[in-house]
Amino acid sequence: AQSVTQLDSQVPVFEEAPVELRCNYSSSVSVYLFWYVQYPNQGLQLLLKYLSGSTLVKGINGFEAEFNKSQTSFHLRKPSVHISDTAEYFCAVSPDYKLSFGAGTTVTVRA
Amino acid sequence: DTEVTQTPKHLVMGMTNKKSLKCEQHMGHRAMYWYKQKAKKPPELMFVYSYEKLSINESVPSRFSPECPNSSLLNLHLHALQPEDSALYLCASSPPGTSQETQYFGPGTRLLVL
Repeated sequence: AQSVTQLDSQVPVFEEAPVELRCNYSSSVSVYLFWYVQYPNQGLQLLLKYLSGSTLVKGINGFEAEFNKSQTSFHLRKPSVHISDTAEYFCAVSPDYKLSFGAGTTVTVRA
Repeated sequence: DTEVTQTPKHLVMGMTNKKSLKCEQHMGHRAMYWYKQKAKKPPELMFVYSYEKLSINESVPSRFSPECPNSSLLNLHLHALQPEDSALYLCASSPPGTSQETQYFGPGTRLLVL
């Protein structure tokens, strides 16, 4: 079985400041890791994914994440956030058809 | 075309009504999914169709009935729902190939059961 823990339920951050959202996973098999973003009253949009290869993954909107197998982590980072980054962020793991989501992290960007 | 579309955007129904949610994609994806998402919670998988056949049913009550008429279309038929079924219903699809393929989500249908 696999599970995902998002270590921060809420992250307030000022505009143009950096942000890091933490995600740890547990799995007995090889996994594939994803970060999705959900803007208010919208569906989920894929930010980035790790399937194999380089452990530093770049995604859309200036986000990047680093896969760390020894620490079973997949933390998401952005060096400078905008007001428009205010959203819910979900980390997910998938060894098969079933995506297992973390509880989500609410990011609120303030001016 | 690189998106998953869902209709309607909003739906209000009584507990005795019958309604359907529709999901469509034209990306050639051969796996399609229904998720239920309650407020402030992550999506929960309900059903998976692979090559138009139901492959996963996550013990969903029979008042929810999925249907996959063709490779581009996925329906969710609703009957005799309960107020606790009020939620955002998300559809997703993924390309053919390995089961680890990325899932692409639609905007969802926000359902209110009165």
